[in-house]
Amino acid sequence: EAGVTQFPSHSVIEKGQTVTLRCDPISGHDNLYWYRRVMGKEIKFLLHFVKESKQDESGMPNNRFLAERTGGTYSTLKVQPAELEDSGVYFCASSQGPTDTQYFGPGTRLTVL
Amino acid sequence: GESVGLHLPTLSVQEGDNSIINCAYSNSASDYFIWYKQESGKGPQFIIDIRSNMDKRQGQRVTVLLNKTVKHLSLQIAATQPGDSAVYFCAENMNTDKLIFGTGTRLQVFP
Repeated sequence: EAGVTQFPSHSVIEKGQTVTLRCDPISGHDNLYWYRRVMGKEIKFLLHFVKESKQDESGMPNNRFLAERTGGTYSTLKVQPAELEDSGVYFCASSQGPTDTQYFGPGTRLTVL
Repeated sequence: GESVGLHLPTLSVQEGDNSIINCAYSNSASDYFIWYKQESGKGPQFIIDIRSNMDKRQGQRVTVLLNKTVKHLSLQIAATQPGDSAVYFCAENMNTDKLIFGTGTRLQVFP
C-alpha cells in the first residue's frame, strides 16, 4: 500500500511569488492534515480535512495560505504571495479516523528568497 | 537536512546499548501519545503509541512508558542499532484532530 506522497519535494521561490504544494493521502483515508516546521521551531498543525470539508483550520497562519481538497482525495496548499518567514518544511499526514494514527508524507521543503 | 538551525538535544549511545529518550508533555487533558522517528530528508515515521489508560506498551525493540502524574513520556530502544540514528519526536493529542509535537531529540549511534 502506498504511503502519503507529497509534491514537490523541494521548491525555491522568490518573495511575492505563488507556490502550490500537493498531498496525496493513503487511499481510503478520509482525514488529511497539513503541518509545517519553520526553522528552529516545532512541527505545528495547520489544518485538518475530513473528506473535502475543512474540519479545523485553526493553525493556518494568515490568509495568504489557502488549502483545498476538492473531491476529497488529494489536497493542495497554496501560498500567495509567499513571504520569507514561510520557508520551512510542509508535511501532510492522513488517518482513517480523526483520532487514529496519522501517517506522514516526506514533506515539501519550501525556500522563499 | 531540514533540522539545520534546529538546536536539538542529542543523545549519543554505543551500538548495542539501550537508549532512553524522554519527553515532557504539556497538557494533562491529553489522552493519546505517539512517538515518531524522523530520518534526514524524510517525514515523521510512526513508531509506537499509547493511550492514557495505559502506563506501558511494548513493540519490537521499543517500549513506551507514560507517567501521567508528572506528564512524562519515554521511549526505550533496546539494542540500539546504527539504523536507529534519527530525530525522535513525541506528540500528544487531546482527543482532537491535531497533534502537538515536542521539539525532538537527536539520537546518534556510534560503533
